[in-house]
Amino acid sequence: AQSVAQPEDQVNVAEGNPLTVKCTYSVSGNPYLFWYVQYPNRGLQFLLKYITGDNLVKGSYGFEAEFNKSQTSFHLKKPSALVSDSALYFCAVRDSLFMDSNYQLIWGAGTKLIIKP
Amino acid sequence: EAGVAQSPRYKIIEKRQSVAFWCNPISGHATLYWYQQILGQGPKLLIQFQNNGVVDDSQLPKDRFSAERLKGVDSTLKIQPAKLEDSAVYLCASSLEVLASNEQFFGPGTRLTVL
Repeated sequence: AQSVAQPEDQVNVAEGNPLTVKCTYSVSGNPYLFWYVQYPNRGLQFLLKYITGDNLVKGSYGFEAEFNKSQTSFHLKKPSALVSDSALYFCAVRDSLFMDSNYQLIWGAGTKLIIKP
Repeated sequence: EAGVAQSPRYKIIEKRQSVAFWCNPISGHATLYWYQQILGQGPKLLIQFQNNGVVDDSQLPKDRFSAERLKGVDSTLKIQPAKLEDSAVYLCASSLEVLASNEQFFGPGTRLTVL
């Protein structure tokens, strides 16, 4: 069965410092991995995805994520945090095997990122 | 490019009443999703359409929820009758095709409060 874990409910970072939001996954086949961000009272916005190829994926707003197959992780990172990065971040995974029962995008519970000035 | 449109943005009803939400996906997107997001949780897929056919409705409470996507474009999600536990944000999303690698584009959501 597919699953996604975001082990931290909340991450606090000082502005200008690097940030990491953690995500681990479990799938039967190869994973398709996604990060989305949700600002208050707004819908989810796509940040980046890993499908295949280079393990380091770059996305919107200066974010990047590193796929690590041996650790089954896909952590979101940014070298220098901005106050405006404060939001709710969701990791999601889909199994590339694409069988009927595996078709859904499986979402993590979300991590609240707070950037303090 | 216009995004996914949803209406209304907010709705307050009493339990046992009915409510309907509307979604207009990005032009050309064949796949449409309805999600329920309860505060503090990740989105839960309710139903997925490919054009006007249902791909997955396994988590849709069919005794009270219904959805349709006539002509493969706009979609409506209905709840009848509503329960207190239906209070949530209802998100509509669309993607180009039913491909596992495609990202989804979300509307702003409808916040439903059931009293």
